[in-house]
Amino acid sequence: DGGITQSPKYLFRKEGQNVTLSCEQNLNHDAMYWYRQDPGQGLRLIYYSQIVNDFQKGDIAEGYSVSREKKESFPLTVTSAQKNPTAFYLCASKGDLNEQYFGPGTRLTVT
Amino acid sequence: GESVGLHLPTLSVQEGDNSIINCAYSNSASDYFIWYKQESGKGPQFIIDIRSNMDKRQGQRVTVLLNKTVKHLSLQIAATQPGDSAVYFCAETYAGGTSYGKLTFGQGTILTVHP
Repeated sequence: DGGITQSPKYLFRKEGQNVTLSCEQNLNHDAMYWYRQDPGQGLRLIYYSQIVNDFQKGDIAEGYSVSREKKESFPLTVTSAQKNPTAFYLCASKGDLNEQYFGPGTRLTVT
Repeated sequence: GESVGLHLPTLSVQEGDNSIINCAYSNSASDYFIWYKQESGKGPQFIIDIRSNMDKRQGQRVTVLLNKTVKHLSLQIAATQPGDSAVYFCAETYAGGTSYGKLTFGQGTILTVHP
């Protein structure tokens, strides 16, 4: 099956801890994206990567970091500097027509 | 601070009715548009797309209409079923410049289908 996987589905952390969310794709897509979604709202872009070893900040990058060492993988770290980390995080990759395909999401709760 | 918006537009229909979900987009330079369906607790699912050189595109039970003059997009779902209940987002992008394929998402519309 081709697609995007995110793990875990639910994640709980204490305030002050860094946490890394996994995103893997086997679609052979170059570009990958991380979004954040809050209740009742649309998606906001955190980081994106157009190619391996390259990534750029999106609209709300503060408090987050990423890496892109492999084409298939684009992990997101939510650092302790992120003031409101509790949210639903979505990873996506881009096809040939600029369409984006999303993973199932990770719901992060920080207490 | 961040606002927490819980007042998405809603549309309630009876099973078997046709549904029309509307979206106003912001960038007149946008040349590619997508409709996504998001069920509770899941990632958005691609439904249908349309390029700016078209004004209508049909899929299975769905039709997207594009009116570039007024920057309006609509999604029509024929014979709506309970499984169509979800939040529907439109997204826009343009291929030029430094857009890096960035999608700008609309607020979303909650569709509820009653049996």
